[in-house]
Amino acid sequence: KQEVTQIPAALSVPEGENLVLNCSFTDSAIYNLQWFRQDPGKGLTSLLLIQSSQREQTSGRLNASLDKSSGRSTLYIAASQPGDSATYLCAVRPGETSGSRLTFGEGTQLTVNP
Amino acid sequence: DAGITQSPRYKITETGRQVTLMCHQTWSHSYMFWYRQDLGHGLRLIYYSAAADITDKGEVPDGYVVSRSKTENFPLTLESATRSQTSVYFCAGLGGINYGYTFGSGTRLTVV
Repeated sequence: KQEVTQIPAALSVPEGENLVLNCSFTDSAIYNLQWFRQDPGKGLTSLLLIQSSQREQTSGRLNASLDKSSGRSTLYIAASQPGDSATYLCAVRPGETSGSRLTFGEGTQLTVNP
Repeated sequence: DAGITQSPRYKITETGRQVTLMCHQTWSHSYMFWYRQDLGHGLRLIYYSAAADITDKGEVPDGYVVSRSKTENFPLTLESATRSQTSVYFCAGLGGINYGYTFGSGTRLTVV
């Protein structure tokens, strides 16, 4: 059974810092990995999607990397801002032969202080 | 266009009542999912559907029923609500250009 772990569970940083959020998964047979952002009381917003054949994806100040063989992904946020404060979730989709159900980590709650 | 629309946003119901949460999609997602989110448990899959008239159980299906007679709608019914079903429910779709998931805004359900 796939298990996804996110470390740290919570992180508080001053504005302007570069930071890294970690995601690890136990079964490397994944189809893709997706990073989401969730604001309090809101739904999940997709940030980045990395296919299993890719090593990284970038969107603005966000960069996500994937090392499938070691079961790890990182989300790098450059020059953090108070508006980045949210919970960040990673989710893995199993290989196609196993269906399309996502397995989520429990998230990292990020607070960026002005 | 949000792609996935859930209704209602908030619902309070009494123990034992039947309640249906609605999910409508406008992007022709083939796969659709229902998750519940609870503190300490994260997101857990309740049911999913690969296409119209094809549904399957997820991790926590007990007490829930789904149907998918049309591709665009995927309602979730709590047949006899219990307090343990107080949660935030999210509907999601899989498909589109990038084959990523799209989530609705959620329904916050309170069972009293």
